[in-house]
Amino acid sequence: LAKTTQPISMDSYEGQEVNITCSHNNIATNDYITWYQQFPSQGPRFIIQGYKTKVTNEVASLFIPADRKSSTLSLPRVSLSDTAVYYCLVGERWRDTGFQKLVFGTGTRLLVSP
Amino acid sequence: DSGVTQTPKHLITATGQRVTLRCSPRSGDLSVYWYQQSLDQGLQFLIQYYNGEERAKGNILERFSAQQFPDLHSELNLSSLELGDSALYFCASSVDTGLVEQYFGPGTRLTVT
Repeated sequence: LAKTTQPISMDSYEGQEVNITCSHNNIATNDYITWYQQFPSQGPRFIIQGYKTKVTNEVASLFIPADRKSSTLSLPRVSLSDTAVYYCLVGERWRDTGFQKLVFGTGTRLLVSP
Repeated sequence: DSGVTQTPKHLITATGQRVTLRCSPRSGDLSVYWYQQSLDQGLQFLIQYYNGEERAKGNILERFSAQQFPDLHSELNLSSLELGDSALYFCASSVDTGLVEQYFGPGTRLTVT
């Protein structure tokens, strides 16, 4: 599984756009990029997943450059409730044989202030 | 509500004891994952089952074991408990295996005294 590197923490203010970048230099051809959000004492929640270019859903956008060695999670107009830890994962999406070790990493702590 | 249920919510026990954590996946999900989250270790993957069979293994101690039953619920057994085993234990489920969207339960907070 590709190793990922994210900033440990980020600060923002309500209403701003937040971009969290994840580096995954050894991403493999079949690997997808997935982001999760976790609030204190709760289980992580899936945000978005992508393979290349841009993916957008109702809560976030995911930008992936052509070389796929990094990705950026974009949260538009954050609110106080977006204060959480954000995890980037990279791994093969469809795989029903063999072992696959799932690694969440340390994540990025986002603090949104008024 | 993710649709994944975990029991109990809280568990307090003494060192050396054995406990069982239970997880019921979302309806239709065949894959179950167990994670441990402690303050100093972050979210650590323990083990994954798919339709009753073990599929992936992470940093799971030999004192820990798990299984997935024919009705697809799963149990995580922790034995010879140590103080360092105190943590939040999450169960997650997904429709398939691989890095697909996982739905996490509310967790079981284990305190070993």
